[in-house]
Amino acid sequence: DAEITQSPRHKITETGRQVTLACHQTWNHNNMFWYRQDLGHGLRLIHYSYGVQDTNKGEVSDGYSVSRSNTEDLPLTLESAASSQTSVYFCASSQGTSDTGELFFGEGSRLTVL
Amino acid sequence: GQNIDQPTEMTATEGAIVQINCTYQTSGFNGLFWYQQHAGEAPTFLSYNVLDGLEEKGRFSSFLSRSKGYSYLLLKELQMKDSASYLCAVIDSNYQLIWGAGTKLIIKP
Repeated sequence: DAEITQSPRHKITETGRQVTLACHQTWNHNNMFWYRQDLGHGLRLIHYSYGVQDTNKGEVSDGYSVSRSNTEDLPLTLESAASSQTSVYFCASSQGTSDTGELFFGEGSRLTVL
Repeated sequence: GQNIDQPTEMTATEGAIVQINCTYQTSGFNGLFWYQQHAGEAPTFLSYNVLDGLEEKGRFSSFLSRSKGYSYLLLKELQMKDSASYLCAVIDSNYQLIWGAGTKLIIKP
């Protein structure tokens, strides 16, 4: 069965360290997204990609970067982790045009920055 | 600015019916999603509305009124497993998804 997986599921790091969260999907979807979810907020878009070599900034992209070298993977890097980046991170993918398709989410990565 | 409003929390009784409302003010409209999210899990797709009216899918129905900027999710014959957060999301004129903060639904026996 096709799926979307994230790793690690839980991560504790220190302020200033670089962290990479992996996202791998076997749906063969063109569109991939990274969101963060915090209490009291809706899902907030960090970065997204509509295909290989395509990346775009979302509403909360500062301090984060992504790269898309193949269809399956969209790793999210926190260049210098800050306590404000403590959150649950969800990767998602979709088929269809831009954001109009149903999103399939990974199980989430809980990141704690001390 | 763009805004989606949902109640923060609702409580209902097992076997009953509950309606979760969502109102939106966005720059354009290209569709509305409802997702279900159990605690500690990923959101999963429930419904998609792009035209006015009611879409029924088993115990769940979703309604849309574009002129009023309003949608609701109707859950019938509530079961304990329906305890979850329900997320409303709107596709704006730039085909970006705007998410509400979600409604936490608590089901009591």
